Amino acid sequence: GAGVSQSPSNKVTEKGKDVELRCDPISGHTALYWYRQSLGQGLEFLIYFQGNSAPDKSGLPSDRFSAERTGGSVSTLTIQRTQQEDSAVYLCASSLRPPPSGSYNEQFFGPGTRLTVL
Amino acid sequence: KQEVTQIPAALSVPEGENLVLNCSFTDSAIYNLQWFRQDPGKGLTSLLLIQSSQREQTSGRLNASLDKSSGRSTLYIAASQPGDSATYLCAVSWGKFQFGAGTQVVVTP
Repeated sequence: GAGVSQSPSNKVTEKGKDVELRCDPISGHTALYWYRQSLGQGLEFLIYFQGNSAPDKSGLPSDRFSAERTGGSVSTLTIQRTQQEDSAVYLCASSLRPPPSGSYNEQFFGPGTRLTVL
Repeated sequence: KQEVTQIPAALSVPEGENLVLNCSFTDSAIYNLQWFRQDPGKGLTSLLLIQSSQREQTSGRLNASLDKSSGRSTLYIAASQPGDSATYLCAVSWGKFQFGAGTQVVVTP
C-alpha cells in the first residue's frame, strides 16, 4: 500500500478481555516498530522487528503484551487481560531498514489505534 | 541516560512569523534525528530526517539544523501559516528512536 495502515482505528473493550491490534507496513520495509501514546504523554517505545524477529522487546510494559510479525510484513500486537491503564493510542511505524542505516532508517507512521478499556 | 527534551512545550505565533523549535539531547553519539508533526487525533507525519554526518536538511519552508557536539537540533519554519498549527516532535536515534514530548504550536491568523 501507499502508507502504513492500522486496524481497527478504534477499539473499546472491557477490562480483562484480550485485544489484537494490526499493522500493515509499507511494502518492502524490513523494520517495524510499535509505540504507545497515552493522553498527554510522549511516545513510548514498545518493540521493534527486523524481518520476523524482534531484536528489541525492551519497551513491552508487562508479560500481558506480546507481538509477532509474519512473512516480514503484517504485525499483530496482542494485549491479554486488558487493564484500564492500557488505554492509549497504539502507533505503528515502518522503515526501509532497521537502525542504524542512515536515511533508510526514516520512520513512517500509521494513523494509530485508539484503545479504550472500560 | 539518553534523553530528548523539547522546550517550550507550547508556542503561539502570529501568521507570517518564523517558527523556531528546539530539541536537545544527551549523548552526542546519535545515528540520526527525525522531525515529525502530529495533528490532533492523527498519526505522525515525517518532516525531515538528518543523518549524523549532516549539519542541516531543508524541505520547502522547513529547515532543520543539527549540532551534535552541543546536543541540539533546531527546526525552522519560515513564514508560518495557520495550517502549520500542530504538535512537533523530535526523535533521536541511538539505535531505536527516542522521542521528545513535543512542542504544541498555534499559528494565529
